[in-house]
Amino acid sequence: SQQGEEDPQALSIQEGENATMNCSYKTSINNLQWYRQNSGRGLVHLILIRSNEREKHSGRLRVTLDTSKKSSSLLITASRAADTASYFCASDSSYKLIFGSGTRLLVRP
Amino acid sequence: GAVVSQHPSWVICKSGTSVKIECRSLDFQATTMFWYRQFPKQSLMLMATSNEGSKATYEQGVEKDKFLINHASLTLSTLTVTSAHPEDSSFYICSARDRGVTGANVLTFGAGSRLTVL
Repeated sequence: SQQGEEDPQALSIQEGENATMNCSYKTSINNLQWYRQNSGRGLVHLILIRSNEREKHSGRLRVTLDTSKKSSSLLITASRAADTASYFCASDSSYKLIFGSGTRLLVRP
Repeated sequence: GAVVSQHPSWVICKSGTSVKIECRSLDFQATTMFWYRQFPKQSLMLMATSNEGSKATYEQGVEKDKFLINHASLTLSTLTVTSAHPEDSSFYICSARDRGVTGANVLTFGAGSRLTVL
C-alpha cells in the first residue's frame, strides 16, 4: 500500500480544546508535511518539518517528528469551529508526496 | 501565493466516453505536476508524476493507456480518462511544484475535479 497511517480516523472536540493527530509513514524521508482539506476541495499546505528537526511551531500548530519510529504528530491548540476539516500527513521521499490516511476533525461550537 | 486552477470542477459523462481535466499553474512555472485520485472519505492516491516535455511516470497499478497525461507546457498538464466506466468515478486532484522554489517539495493543489460516470 502506498499510504501511511493516521490516527485517529475521526476526532470530535469542543471549540477551545486541543486536537492531536498522529501519523506513521513507511520509508525514509526528506521531510514530512501536513495538509488540510475542506470537504470536496483541494489541499492546503499547513507546515513542513525536515527530517533533521524534531519539533516545529507555526501559530496554533505544533508538529513533532520521530524518524526512529517513522511517526509524526500534529497538535492544533485552542481549536475553532473553522478548523473542521480533514488533515493529512504527507511523507516526502524522492520528490514524491505520499499521503497518510487522514484524520477527520470536527470542532463543535 | 501560488495558485493552481483545475477545470472542470465536476463532470458527468456516459460510460465509454473520454473526459479531459486541465490543471494550470496561474502565477508560476511548474516543471512537475502530480495527479492524485481520492475516493470518498479516503486519502489521496498518487497516480502519476507529470514532467514538462517528457512522458509521465505512472505509479504501480495505474493504467497509462487509461489515464493519459500530457504536460505540454510549464503551466499546463492534462489528464484524460479514456473510455470511462462507472468505477472511474472519483475525485481527481492535481498539484504542482514551483520550479522557482528550491529545496522542499511543497505542493500547491488544485480544487479537484469530481468525475461521475453513468
